[in-house]
Order: sequence, then structure tokens, then C-alpha cells
Amino acid sequence: KAGVTQTPRYLIKTRGQQVTLSCSPISGHRSVSWYQQTPGQGLQFLFEYFSETQRNKGNFPGRFSGRQFSNSRSEMNVSTLELGDSALYLCASSSGLAGGYEQYFGPGTRLTVT
Amino acid sequence: SQQGEEDPQALSIQEGENATMNCSYKTSINNLQWYRQNSGRGLVHLILIRSNEREKHSGRLRVTLDTSKKSSSLLITASRAADTASYFCAPDTGGFKTIFGAGTRLFVKA
Repeated sequence: KAGVTQTPRYLIKTRGQQVTLSCSPISGHRSVSWYQQTPGQGLQFLFEYFSETQRNKGNFPGRFSGRQFSNSRSEMNVSTLELGDSALYLCASSSGLAGGYEQYFGPGTRLTVT
Repeated sequence: SQQGEEDPQALSIQEGENATMNCSYKTSINNLQWYRQNSGRGLVHLILIRSNEREKHSGRLRVTLDTSKKSSSLLITASRAADTASYFCAPDTGGFKTIFGAGTRLFVKA
């Protein structure tokens, strides 16, 4: 099976711009979770989608949003970028079923905001 | 969902030695997972141990779970330089929200 893919891998944006990141999960997986990783804050949970519905979200401002399509692919959007949004953004896919599920992570998108 | 707290924060050992890292959590769990992250890359799932299991093995990895103490440990035997990475535990309480701690940074010297 192909792994989780994220595009683009690297991105440089200017403050105030917006950005859209994409994640394609492993075939058959219906859950996609997004995380932000920075040296100062570590790995932080952004949100989780299952069958196009957001089931949970972390403590991020409304500038961070996401969605999931019927084929389970997911996108996250960050509007009005700030310098502090520079981070590695990771997505993870899983079966999404209750009772314990392993998450498979993509390689991440490295976002730099200047 | 809750955060696991890994201990120690950092660990440096010689190749061939064993590495042990611990995880503590606060409430009842369904299962607990361990992940590894090599520098600047995505996380890799290592092992999942369910709440009714006490020990689990996978290759050179041994994970124990003590639900009475709300703690888990990950043992890597005969460490290799390639094991150099950050290791995270993820206690799962079923909320579809994984909260990762700061992790244990393992450095294996060749």
C-alpha cells in the first residue's frame, strides 16, 4: 500500500498570506488527523476528520481550518499567516475506528512564514 | 484524550546498550501507543499495547504497561546508531484526539 502523502513538502509564504496543505491518506483509511510541530511547542493536535466530519479539534485559532473530501483526502488551510505559524505540519491517517487505532504519518509539510 | 509524559527528556547511550524510556499518564486508557520520530520527519508507529495487556514485544522493542501505576515503559535492546530519534507515547482514551508529550530524545553513539 502507498503511504500517506503530503503536498507540498516545502512552502515559503509571507505574513498575511494564506496557505492550503494537502494530505492523501492510506487507501481504505477514513480518518485524517493534523498536527503542528514547532521546537518551542512540540507536537500539537490541530483536528481530526472522519468520513468528512470533524470529530475533534485542538486549541488553535479560527485561522486554522480543515476539511475532508469523500475520497478521504484532507486539506488544511491557514489564513492570515503569522511568523509563529512557521512549523512542520504533519498529517496522519488511520482506520478511525474506536478501540485503538494506529496512526500512519506523512513526511510533513515544512512551512516557513517570512 | 490525554497527554503522556515521557521520561527522561534525553538519553545518551553507546551502541549495543539497552535504552529504557518511561511514560506516565493520568486517567484510564483503552490502549497506549509508542511512536518514533527521526529528525524533521514524520512519526513512525512502533507498537500498540492494550489496557488488558501487560507486556508486548516487537523485534528489539519491549513495551510494558502497568495500569495500576498509570505508566508504560519502552525498552530498546542492543541499540544501534539508527535508533537515534525522539520517542513519544500516546495514551488513548478514545476521544479521537492524540496529545503527544515532549518525548524522549535518544542519542545512540557509534
